[in-house]
Amino acid sequence: DSGVTQTPKHLITATGQRVTLRCSPRSGDLSVYWYQQSLDQGLQFLIQYYNGEERAKGNILERFSAQQFPDLHSELNLSSLELGDSALYFCASSVRAGASSNEQFFGPGTRLTVL
Amino acid sequence: GQNIDQPTEMTATEGAIVQINCTYQTSGFNGLFWYQQHAGEAPTFLSYNVLDGLEEKGRFSSFLSRSKGYSYLLLKELQMKDSASYLCAVRGYMEYGNKLVFGAGTILRVKS
Repeated sequence: DSGVTQTPKHLITATGQRVTLRCSPRSGDLSVYWYQQSLDQGLQFLIQYYNGEERAKGNILERFSAQQFPDLHSELNLSSLELGDSALYFCASSVRAGASSNEQFFGPGTRLTVL
Repeated sequence: GQNIDQPTEMTATEGAIVQINCTYQTSGFNGLFWYQQHAGEAPTFLSYNVLDGLEEKGRFSSFLSRSKGYSYLLLKELQMKDSASYLCAVRGYMEYGNKLVFGAGTILRVKS
């Protein structure tokens, strides 16, 4: 158990809908990262937040947005869902934000299925 | 940008040693990570290299050559539970952020 929690574990929805994925980092970690893992794309970095502020951005679609709240939990919002958005979404956390930080601890993931 | 290459699949025998290679091209380098991921589960951290050389951690070792853009993960005394995907990830230099770029992963199958 990494100490990172994610809810829900599974989510099934229809195209065009909007969903929110939630992540709570390990106690004391200020940085949260979101990743998407689909069968044909591997693990793709989406976005990083540190202490409430966006710090790094990957290949995140405009239909996706995220935020980190004062209590450090984070939410990833996916809207206008398409079949291709079906994937495992992982959240990870680390203590610090930049080059001085080392490993990221991954949560169990949310499996999103878009029908 | 960053590009990371690893073999797609490898098979090895229980008790043996296996080496999983990773080559990368990056515009800025600030560390290389290896993660293990069992199917449908979260990646778990194995090792981190930022300087050239070998880092040993029990049955797992990781090597880095920055000049060659090359790393390998060495697994000794293979066990059936080592069957998993092994992900190589490179961190590029970012002043305020911490972005990891992952390779597609190497699926290791350990047979008895």
